Amino acid sequence: SAVISQKPSRDICQRGTSLTIQCQVDSQVTMMFWYRQQPGQSLTLIATANQGSEATYESGFVIDKFPISRPNLTFSTLTVSNMSPEDSSIYLCSVEDLPGIGYNEQFFGPGTRLTVL
Amino acid sequence: ILNVEQSPQSLHVQEGDSTNFTCSFPSSNFYALHWYRWETAKSPEALFVMTLNGDEKKKGRISATLNTKEGYSYLYIKGSQPEDSATYLCAFTAAGNKLTFGGGTRVLVKP
Repeated sequence: SAVISQKPSRDICQRGTSLTIQCQVDSQVTMMFWYRQQPGQSLTLIATANQGSEATYESGFVIDKFPISRPNLTFSTLTVSNMSPEDSSIYLCSVEDLPGIGYNEQFFGPGTRLTVL
Repeated sequence: ILNVEQSPQSLHVQEGDSTNFTCSFPSSNFYALHWYRWETAKSPEALFVMTLNGDEKKKGRISATLNTKEGYSYLYIKGSQPEDSATYLCAFTAAGNKLTFGGGTRVLVKP
């Protein structure tokens, strides 16, 4: 198992500003994932972050809006840029248990609750 | 686009009662079905991963069944307790693909 922490745990931001969310894992992992859950919606994958390469974004998400850094095997950041109220969500990072062996089980961080006014 | 549906969206249960709810998913290209429990302000916690048709898994008072041919899974909570209050998420994976989550069932157990 992996222990994952996120900062900040919550924030209230003004529209037009940007927020960077940090994700720290207690062990080295190849892939880290970023999800969001908008109010009343499903948990949705934003992108997959591999160390040493560009993040891979899912349909509907772009790098200019959600730039991701992955400087080493235990840390990643997600920035929510030029925020609007529609970006109000819970943002979660996760890592995969037994990559390539298991069934894509994920360990999640506790989430960052973002409200954009 | 994969469609994973959970019903109901929310339910209230009296302490001590049992309850169950559903996750439906595509019956083709099935690889695995996951259940998570997500308590407010905590990390989603993995409950089960199920891979075979007819699978039944149990963890304490919580159990789950899987029907891959018709594309559904049930999660059961026996003798609900207030600490079972949480959102229960299911997630489907096709082979080699990422998790696709349902919208969750929010369970509130009333003392």
